[in-house]
Amino acid sequence: QSALTQPRSVSGSPGQSVTISCTGTSSDVGHYNYVSWYQQHPGKAPKVMIYDVSKRPSGVPDRFSGSKSGNTASLSISGLQAEDEADYYCCSYAGTSWAFGGGTQLTVL
Amino acid sequence: EVHLVESGGGLVQPGGSLRLSCAASGFTLSTYGMNWVRQAPGKGLQWVAGIAGGGGRTDYADSVKGRFTVSRDNSKNTLYLQMNSLRAEDTAAYYCARDEAMWFDPWGQGTLVTVSS
Repeated sequence: QSALTQPRSVSGSPGQSVTISCTGTSSDVGHYNYVSWYQQHPGKAPKVMIYDVSKRPSGVPDRFSGSKSGNTASLSISGLQAEDEADYYCCSYAGTSWAFGGGTQLTVL
Repeated sequence: EVHLVESGGGLVQPGGSLRLSCAASGFTLSTYGMNWVRQAPGKGLQWVAGIAGGGGRTDYADSVKGRFTVSRDNSKNTLYLQMNSLRAEDTAAYYCARDEAMWFDPWGQGTLVTVSS
């Protein structure tokens, strides 16, 4: 049960786009299309932004999108806004367990 | 409105036990898979345990297997996490989260467990 690998931090200016990668293995990200992404603001509970690799729950802006290639999933955020500044975590089903990424801190400059 | 509220956290000595509760409202707990996810101070999220809807199959992270037990009381619409033989590294905020369909939504607000002498 290994953690997925994410960059520790990314940054962008308002209006710009950023992409956060999430690398797993052929036993999790590469095997299942059950990759989800969570946004967490300081002191708050996580909130789902993307599920099933690329689907957006109701209420999540279409500025957020997800994709996957092989063992790596990605979260892209376009048109960055100040309120997007938060920690982002990827998550993948791994058979009988779930693996989370270490988290990426997004800074909006 | 779907809502989850955790309780039961606190300070416990190493080797001690604690039982966390997660009260659900707005939906029937027994029909959904449910999970516990923890977050050590300043660290990332870590899946801890899950219980399937219906049949109640349980799964655990290797780090807690044999020490933690997840269960639910359908009459109280409440999820539990019994934690035994607690260690310092179990110190974290513990969140319960509903398995919507292989993704977690919603999450509770979390309850803090501190293992220290």
